[in-house]
Amino acid sequence: AQKVTQAQTEISVVEKEDVTLDCVYETRDTTYYLFWYKQPPSGELVFLIRRNSFDEQNEISGRYSWNFQKSTSSFNFTITASQVVDSAVYFCALSDYSGGGADGLTFGKGTHLIIQP
Amino acid sequence: DTGVSQNPRHKITKRGQNVTFRCDPISEHNRLYWYRQTLGQGPEFLTYFQNEAQLEKSRLLSDRFSAERPKGSFSTLEIQRTEQGDSAMYLCASSSTQGFGNTIYFGEGSWLTVV
Repeated sequence: AQKVTQAQTEISVVEKEDVTLDCVYETRDTTYYLFWYKQPPSGELVFLIRRNSFDEQNEISGRYSWNFQKSTSSFNFTITASQVVDSAVYFCALSDYSGGGADGLTFGKGTHLIIQP
Repeated sequence: DTGVSQNPRHKITKRGQNVTFRCDPISEHNRLYWYRQTLGQGPEFLTYFQNEAQLEKSRLLSDRFSAERPKGSFSTLEIQRTEQGDSAMYLCASSSTQGFGNTIYFGEGSWLTVV
């Protein structure tokens, strides 16, 4: 069975600080996808990134960066120079290699990120 | 560019009533998913369709829940004889099997409160 653990329930930082959200996953599949989604108060889940299990290169997109380490089954997300608009709940998710077919996505419980001005 | 659209966005109903939610996926997407999310939890998979065929149902989907996608486009999720435990946000998502792997895009969700 697949499992995603986001141990940090809530993180509060002051604007402009860097913050890292942790994600640890479990799967028996040798090929799989990992995702991060952002959920602002409006409720919509906003897709941020998809990473396949073959690709362990770190990825950077503006102030966002992701560190995938297969050896520790972790897929951590860092926001550099945080802004108030980054405040949201962030979910890490895991799927089989079809990208979400038979069992869809398995989500963690989310990390509520609060950026204080 | 229209994303996944859900309505109604909010529904308050009395216990025992039936409710129906509608989802319009991204137009070229052939897969459609329903998820349920309760406060403080991540979304949980309920069911998914590929075109009009319902290919998978979670054990979370009791007999009171039924989902349809009659023409492979929009979908409806009906909950019969609602219970207070059904109070949650119901999220619809869609994806395409075109290309290599697929990313699932979510709508804004439909909040259900059963009183």
